[in-house]
Amino acid sequence: SQQGEEDPQALSIQEGENATMNCSYKTSINNLQWYRQNSGRGLVHLILIRSNEREKHSGRLRVTLDTSKKSSSLLITASRAADTASYFCATAPSGNTPLVFGKGTRLSVIA
Amino acid sequence: EAQVTQNPRYLITVTGKKLTVTCSQNMNHEYMSWYRQDPGLGLRQIYYSMNVEVTDKGDVPEGYKVSRKEKRNFPLILESPSPNQTSLYFCASSLDRVNSPLHFGNGTRLTVT
Repeated sequence: SQQGEEDPQALSIQEGENATMNCSYKTSINNLQWYRQNSGRGLVHLILIRSNEREKHSGRLRVTLDTSKKSSSLLITASRAADTASYFCATAPSGNTPLVFGKGTRLSVIA
Repeated sequence: EAQVTQNPRYLITVTGKKLTVTCSQNMNHEYMSWYRQDPGLGLRQIYYSMNVEVTDKGDVPEGYKVSRKEKRNFPLILESPSPNQTSLYFCASSLDRVNSPLHFGNGTRLTVT
């Protein structure tokens, strides 16, 4: 059961630019998480934002959450070629059901 | 080093030949889960386990079995693999099911011919 949907599916930017990815979901949530996956490798956790939080930062990453619109965004500032990866949002629906992943955004950062 | 270890990394097998993919974590996590990843379909949960001897079906459990006899290990068993189980498989673990980040293994690329 797919809960989160990322937008866009693919994004290509120049090094140094900012990259913004969006995630929309359908039901109420406990938290929303963002993960990164380098080609064919395991996902790596980036940020967890709880339903009562609106914004969170980690280094060059900024995540916002709007529960009224059921949406979140991940901003990567001053992107680098090494940021090239797929980025997934995952929602933890209310009611203690397991985490549900979206299909991801493929980010390409061109040097 | 805290990690989730899956083996093997690559596996090619034939239809019907039973196989096991192992998963082990060294973080004393209670929650463990198996996912498969297919192009265009994203990450789909196969089975998960809340603790020792407690397992539950995910979204796509058909054709798979799991066991959780020890806290650190959560093997994925394909009793009679079929070509539609060709996929990239990930094991993951976390402190709990909802409020903690998942730690993923590096994946097992399975091909069933």
